[in-house]
Amino acid sequence: EPEVTQTPSHQVTQMGQEVILRCVPISNHLYFYWYRQILGQKVEFLVSFYNNEISEKSEIFDDQFSVERPDGSNFTLKIRSTKLEDSAMYFCASMGPRTKPYNEQFFGPGTRLTVL
Amino acid sequence: DAKTTQPNSMESNEEEPVHLPCNHSTISGTDYIHWYRQLPSQGPEYVIHGLTSNVNNRMASLAIAEDRKSSTLILHRATLRDAAVYYCIPNSGNTPLVFGKGTRLSVIA
Repeated sequence: EPEVTQTPSHQVTQMGQEVILRCVPISNHLYFYWYRQILGQKVEFLVSFYNNEISEKSEIFDDQFSVERPDGSNFTLKIRSTKLEDSAMYFCASMGPRTKPYNEQFFGPGTRLTVL
Repeated sequence: DAKTTQPNSMESNEEEPVHLPCNHSTISGTDYIHWYRQLPSQGPEYVIHGLTSNVNNRMASLAIAEDRKSSTLILHRATLRDAAVYYCIPNSGNTPLVFGKGTRLSVIA
């Protein structure tokens, strides 16, 4: 069964450093998302991406964040200068083309980001 | 986004049916009712969705109230692998998912 994959599974970084979290969505999917979950808290939406551009973003997704689909298979989230409060589990999700009335989102296993 | 109310936690014995309730009284007419679950240390996973009629799939059943202001996810025979946080999410299907706190289901052997 096709699945969303994410690398690395765990990333440790120093405050102020840049990190790039990588995702490989399901191959025929067209809609891509990043969510995050701070330990013990709710899953929060960050950004959605379609047709090579951001379609929606939350208040969390400020200028320190960016997303890219550099090569047609990977989908990346970059945090330019990490803060302690960026420590969280980051989930990538993808959704198929809208050829049917409803499509579910498929989530990856997540990348645990620890900022020291 | 429609506000949802779910019990913080529920407990079930293994092999017993489980009914997980959700109130979504402010749901809009075009929103589907989605259920996702999050197993420990994993990403959320789609379970089922419905609009007006009750729905069944290989994982669960979804019973939707006639006024659509509430729904119930039914696991027919809970297994230890069903221990997870279950989220009820009204959503049009075209917008990002908004997760609440969900219901933490514990399954006792």
